[in-house]
Amino acid sequence: DGGITQSPKYLFRKEGQNVTLSCEQNLNHDAMYWYRQDPGQGLRLIYYSQIVNDFQKGDIAEGYSVSREKKESFPLTVTSAQKNPTAFYLCASMRAGGYGYTFGSGTRLTVV
Amino acid sequence: AQSVTQLGSHVSVSEGALVLLRCNYSSSVPPYLFWYVQYPNQGLQLLLKYTTGATLVKGINGFEAEFKKSETSFHLTKPSAHMSDAAEYFCAVRGGGNKLTFGTGTQLKVEL
Repeated sequence: DGGITQSPKYLFRKEGQNVTLSCEQNLNHDAMYWYRQDPGQGLRLIYYSQIVNDFQKGDIAEGYSVSREKKESFPLTVTSAQKNPTAFYLCASMRAGGYGYTFGSGTRLTVV
Repeated sequence: AQSVTQLGSHVSVSEGALVLLRCNYSSSVPPYLFWYVQYPNQGLQLLLKYTTGATLVKGINGFEAEFKKSETSFHLTKPSAHMSDAAEYFCAVRGGGNKLTFGTGTQLKVEL
């Protein structure tokens, strides 16, 4: 079955470390998105990509980086510059001409 | 810019009672509107969407929503709540770059 796979489901990071969250889709969707979810704040857009080798900053891009070398993959790196990285991270995709997103099951990142 | 406001961060209903979750939107163009549901530690699942045409939209699990342009609203309803409806619900509006802007969410509790 087609879908979006996020890994790992749980991730622990030490202060000062960079970590990379994986997002892979086999839906042949063109656009991919990364959101951060914090309690009571809804979902906030970090980065998005509408085509391979191109991506744009969202509302809260500081301290994060992405790449889009393949259509299927859109990894997110949380750098040491992100001062409050503990959150639930959601990846989504959408086909060209589509309306809504398909979401992955999320990665919960905790700083220890 | 597009935005949505969800009134009530927590809503509690009795099993069998009407569910009403409120969403008001702001959009400079005819909006595309969405309701998503999220169960604990999972991604978001699309309940229903409004794009064009009929203003009463039916979704999965017995939910429906009515687009009211004059009131800039897109409230979600279900005639009879079930225990399995307990979850967090998000309203969203689509803007430029096919980006979705989400509300802060409404946690629905269903009591016996």
